[in-house]
Amino acid sequence: GENVEQHPSTLSVQEGDSAVIKCTYSDSASNYFPWYKQELGKRPQLIIDIRSNVGEKKDQRIAVTLNKTAKHFSLHITETQPEDSAVYFCAAPRGSARQLTFGSGTQLTVLP
Amino acid sequence: EAGVAQSPRYKIIEKRQSVAFWCNPISGHATLYWYQQILGQGPKLLIQFQNNGVVDDSQLPKDRFSAERLKGVDSTLKIQPAKLEDSAVYLCASSSVQGGRETQYFGPGTRLLVL
Repeated sequence: GENVEQHPSTLSVQEGDSAVIKCTYSDSASNYFPWYKQELGKRPQLIIDIRSNVGEKKDQRIAVTLNKTAKHFSLHITETQPEDSAVYFCAAPRGSARQLTFGSGTQLTVLP
Repeated sequence: EAGVAQSPRYKIIEKRQSVAFWCNPISGHATLYWYQQILGQGPKLLIQFQNNGVVDDSQLPKDRFSAERLKGVDSTLKIQPAKLEDSAVYLCASSSVQGGRETQYFGPGTRLLVL
């Protein structure tokens, strides 16, 4: 099955700085890597995803990079704002299947 | 588009009692998932349905958990009897496939506390 590891578990940055969260996966057949943001007491919401045929994807202040050889992918948030404070989860499917295995989460705190 | 609906939002029960959760997916979504999210952890898949059939229930503790999606729309998840370690948020998600890419949409969850 798929094993997803996520680091760091907590991350504090000053407003305006960048934040980077990293994940590794084990199943080389995995082809889709979503990132979810979960605010306290709320549902996880998809913020960006990347397919295995591209190495990087950007959406405004958020970007995700993928290194298939090393089996790791990262979330980059630039110009962080207090509203970026939340728990971020990476996920990877079990090979070509659609079931997602989630990482353990990163609590991001953006300090004003 | 209306989102995934779940009820109840909160439930407190004593151990060995039974509890049931309900999920209404986004209209037209054939795939439905139930996840368990323990505090401080990521969601863990319990069961996946495709229409009214089970695709994967390998991580469902079948001695106490059961789930059904009889008409391929709404789904219920039941725990009988509950244990202290079942305290968690139970998330339902449904998914659509567009351009070969599947996106899962989560409901607000049911927060269960077992005393």
